[in-house]
Amino acid sequence: ETGVTQSPTHLIKTRGQQVTLRCSSQSGHNTVSWYQQALGQGPQFIFQYYREEENGRGNFPPRFSGLQFPNYSSELNVNALELDDSALYLCASSLRGSYYGYTFGSGTRLTVV
Amino acid sequence: QKEVEQDPGPLSVPEGAIVSLNCTYSNSAFQYFMWYRQYSRKGPELLMYTYSSGNKEDGRFTAQVDKSSKYISLFIRDSQPSDSATYLCAILTGGGNKLTFGTGTQLKVEL
Repeated sequence: ETGVTQSPTHLIKTRGQQVTLRCSSQSGHNTVSWYQQALGQGPQFIFQYYREEENGRGNFPPRFSGLQFPNYSSELNVNALELDDSALYLCASSLRGSYYGYTFGSGTRLTVV
Repeated sequence: QKEVEQDPGPLSVPEGAIVSLNCTYSNSAFQYFMWYRQYSRKGPELLMYTYSSGNKEDGRFTAQVDKSSKYISLFIRDSQPSDSATYLCAILTGGGNKLTFGTGTQLKVEL
């Protein structure tokens, strides 16, 4: 059974650019959530995808968008990058209805300069 | 008021000590409580979970929920250097589709 894999592991972008982060779900999971973790903070919920549709969103602007694919993998897109977007972006997969079964990937460290 | 509050530490203890990590939460309707452990440069991994109130024990770890005071705790007995990590409390909120995390407490267990 494979876990959650995220790519790339590290990324440096310039302010104003766009970025796409990718996530492969754990086998058997059908829901994907994305979290942003700033240095020294707990993860903050960005949004969740189930059946290729957004199923809940946190307090993030529309320039944060996502996709879920039929194989349950997912992408997080961020447009018009700002310096404050520098953070660790975590993907978590789960089986819908399983309250405790969130499996996190190791994250993508994004630095905006 | 934040939904979940946690003392960020850092907390440094000698090997073998009993560690107590705590969080408070704001909404008495919350039912699902979790503790995650996060090593440096890794994603969070689920350590313990409890539903509603009471205690749950797993080896050296005990999770406790006190709903009357809206307080959740994680106790680590006989702490080891390998327990050095950041511990995050989390509560399932938003109708069950999101985890709301505390700030995380950085723990260092020293030889």
